[in-house]
Amino acid sequence: SQKIEQNSEALNIQEGKTATLTCNYTNYSPAYLQWYRQDPGRGPVFLLLIRENEKEKRKERLKVTFDTTLKQSLFHITASQPADSATYLCALSPGAGSYQLTFGKGTKLSVIP
Amino acid sequence: EAGVAQSPRYKIIEKRQSVAFWCNPISGHATLYWYQQILGQGPKLLIQFQNNGVVDDSQLPKDRFSAERLKGVDSTLKIQPAKLEDSAVYLCASRVVGRRVGDGQYFGPGTRLTVL
Repeated sequence: SQKIEQNSEALNIQEGKTATLTCNYTNYSPAYLQWYRQDPGRGPVFLLLIRENEKEKRKERLKVTFDTTLKQSLFHITASQPADSATYLCALSPGAGSYQLTFGKGTKLSVIP
Repeated sequence: EAGVAQSPRYKIIEKRQSVAFWCNPISGHATLYWYQQILGQGPKLLIQFQNNGVVDDSQLPKDRFSAERLKGVDSTLKIQPAKLEDSAVYLCASRVVGRRVGDGQYFGPGTRLTVL
């Protein structure tokens, strides 16, 4: 069966450092991989989408990589700030027009001042 | 633009009772999704609509859950009768059909359901 693993339930880092979150998947060939941010009591907010034929995508302080051979995506936040503290969710989509998402459990990031 | 609206925000019921959740997607978004998010888990897709038609309801427990989107705009998700394991946050999301692939789904704030 399809499996998505975000290998850390929680990650604590010092303000100003780069946070790196990992998403691994098995038994899946996604066309798209997305990252969402979720704050307590709120719905997920879309951050970035990367296609299977793209290696890297950047948006401001965010960078996502996608390695379909390793079946892994890395999500980086550079110059992290306490306001970046949240749960980050990885989601896979088969594409083909459906854009249905299968989510991982998420990684709770805490940026310590 | 206004975001996805959901109501109520919180609901507490006893097992075997029924409950309904309402969602109003972003104007012009033809695709609507309902997700269930259990504490500590990622959202799990229950049903997907495009306009007023069901695209996928393979993960919807149809013996107790039902959903409709009669006029292709707002949608209602119902649980009848509720079980303890239905305690979760129910999220609604929407997306524009045909919009460029680079955009994700837009989520509402969710309804937190507690079944006692």
